[in-house]
Amino acid sequence: QSALTQPPSASGSPGQSVTISCTGTSSDIGGYNFVSWYQQHPGKAPKLIIFEVSKRASGVPDRFSGSKSGNTASLTVSGLQAEDEGDYYCSSYAGSMHLVFGGGTKLTVL
Amino acid sequence: EVQLVQSGAEVNKPGESLRISCKGSGYSFTTYWIDWVRQMPGKGLEWMGRVDPSDSYTNYSPSFHGHVTISVDKSINTAYLQWSSLKASDTAMYYCARAEGVDGNFLDYWGQGTLVTVSS
Repeated sequence: QSALTQPPSASGSPGQSVTISCTGTSSDIGGYNFVSWYQQHPGKAPKLIIFEVSKRASGVPDRFSGSKSGNTASLTVSGLQAEDEGDYYCSSYAGSMHLVFGGGTKLTVL
Repeated sequence: EVQLVQSGAEVNKPGESLRISCKGSGYSFTTYWIDWVRQMPGKGLEWMGRVDPSDSYTNYSPSFHGHVTISVDKSINTAYLQWSSLKASDTAMYYCARAEGVDGNFLDYWGQGTLVTVSS
């Protein structure tokens, strides 16, 4: 199981939209509609924001949205706010009760 | 309120054994798998494996199989991650998380993390 591929960094100005990609294979992202996204602020535990490709976790603003096409999933953050700055990780089910994470993307709000 | 509370930070020497814990509360502990995730200093998240608290069945990432042991004591709603012989490369933050959804495909609640430092 290889890690999913994410860009190391992304950035945008307040109010703008930014999209983070997550590329896997037909054995993980492409094979299941089981992609999730996690937000992590410095020194904190990760927090679930999107599950099963496009469902928002409880309490997550609708500025966050997820999608998938083939072996690539995407997280879009619209109307960027300062508190959105942090690290974002994608994850996919990989069969046999296994999960795999992406390498993470550091989102900077300019 | 669902909570996963992990044991405190550890400082150990190479070759020592160690067990860290994760206690669940606020939900039916035996209904959800407990997963363990490693985060090395300045690095990303790595899925290590999981345990089914109802029957203690475990499933490991190939990267961690044989290097750690995951276990559970359902009588006290607690999952464990243990090492028989620590290495310096085990220095990391370790998180437990509750697995939800079909085949536990996402992690909806996380513990606060346990920092393990291995140094001579």
